[in-house]
Amino acid sequence: AQKVTQAQTEISVVEKEDVTLDCVYETRDTTYYLFWYKQPPSGELVFLIRRNSFDEQNEISGRYSWNFQKSTSSFNFTITASQVVDSAVYFCALRNNAGKSTFGDGTTLTVKP
Amino acid sequence: DVKVTQSSRYLVKRTGEKVFLECVQDMDHENMFWYRQDPGLGLRLIYFSYDVKMKEKGDIPEGYSVSREKKERFSLILESASTNQTSMYLCASSLLTGDNQPQHFGDGTRLSIL
Repeated sequence: AQKVTQAQTEISVVEKEDVTLDCVYETRDTTYYLFWYKQPPSGELVFLIRRNSFDEQNEISGRYSWNFQKSTSSFNFTITASQVVDSAVYFCALRNNAGKSTFGDGTTLTVKP
Repeated sequence: DVKVTQSSRYLVKRTGEKVFLECVQDMDHENMFWYRQDPGLGLRLIYFSYDVKMKEKGDIPEGYSVSREKKERFSLILESASTNQTSMYLCASSLLTGDNQPQHFGDGTRLSIL
């Protein structure tokens, strides 16, 4: 069985602060894929970033960056210089090689002006 | 852009009714998924399909069935709706199994069972 845990239920920051969303996962598979999705108040989930289990290189994409550490089974996501439009629910997800996806419970991020 | 279309945004049905939720994607994706989203529980996978006429149970398949007769369409069926199936239902599609392709989601169907 696979599992994704997002321990932070809600986070509130002030605009321009950096914020890190935590994600810890469990899987017995050696090959798997990790994703972050954003669900704004309008409701539609939007893909943000992804990482393969065999690639631990961390990257930055604009204001987004992620820290994938296989040793601790963590895939944390950071938004730099947060903006009000970043307010949303963020989901971490794990997919195995057979296509089955498991999502965390989500972290609600509120960015105040 | 990939478009995943769910037939209804809001739906109200009665206990015991047979309910059909329809989902269509326009990008020739092999994989299609049905989730339900409840407050505090995130997204839970009901069923997914990686090819026409193929289906796999997710984490909470009880009380549901699915149909995939054509590649672009994936239907979720509530055989005999119950009040505990009141929820937001999300359909998604993705390209290929075993790859790192992200899922593309529809707008969701908010289903109320009275």
